[in-house]
Amino acid sequence: GDSVTQMEGPVTLSEEAFLTINCTYTATGYPSLFWYVQYPGEGLQLLLKATKADDKGSNKGFEATYRKETTSFHLEKGSVQVSDSAVYFCALAPTNAGKSTFGDGTTLTVKP
Amino acid sequence: DTGVSQNPRHKITKRGQNVTFRCDPISEHNRLYWYRQTLGQGPEFLTYFQNEAQLEKSRLLSDRFSAERPKGSFSTLEIQRTEQGDSAMYLCASSSLTGPNQPQHFGDGTRLSIL
Repeated sequence: GDSVTQMEGPVTLSEEAFLTINCTYTATGYPSLFWYVQYPGEGLQLLLKATKADDKGSNKGFEATYRKETTSFHLEKGSVQVSDSAVYFCALAPTNAGKSTFGDGTTLTVKP
Repeated sequence: DTGVSQNPRHKITKRGQNVTFRCDPISEHNRLYWYRQTLGQGPEFLTYFQNEAQLEKSRLLSDRFSAERPKGSFSTLEIQRTEQGDSAMYLCASSSLTGPNQPQHFGDGTRLSIL
């Protein structure tokens, strides 16, 4: 079945540092890929998505590129802020908008 | 645009009791999903509906769990004879069928604690 593997956390960075959170997946067909973010005490929010190979999703300074050859969708940000502290989830979904499969999440803490 | 609403936010109950949660999706969304999330894990799929039809159920959804979406709007998730292992955050999400690859919009969840 489908699966998503995220780099283990927690990740602690200083403000303005470069962020990479690795995500790899296993799936049949050509799923859509997503990053969701969960701030403390809040629900999951969509951060960005990519729907086909080589697509780049971007939002709020975060980027991720759909790499079919390496089955990866790594999340990057050039300069993190304290307000980026949250749990980040990588997910995939089949193209017919069925259920999503999530990774276990990576906790990011950014210190001033 | 009102988001996905879940009630209650917290539920504390004794083992063996029945509980029911409610989810109100974004009004124009056709699909509604239930997930369960435990500490340190990502959401695990339980079931989903397209309008009032329940299209898929996970093996995680034992016969003590039942979900309904009678009029294709709000949904309820009932757990009968609760067990300690049912303690988790129960998440509801909805999505539109308009266009491919629509993301799911999540509610804030209902946290269930079994005493």
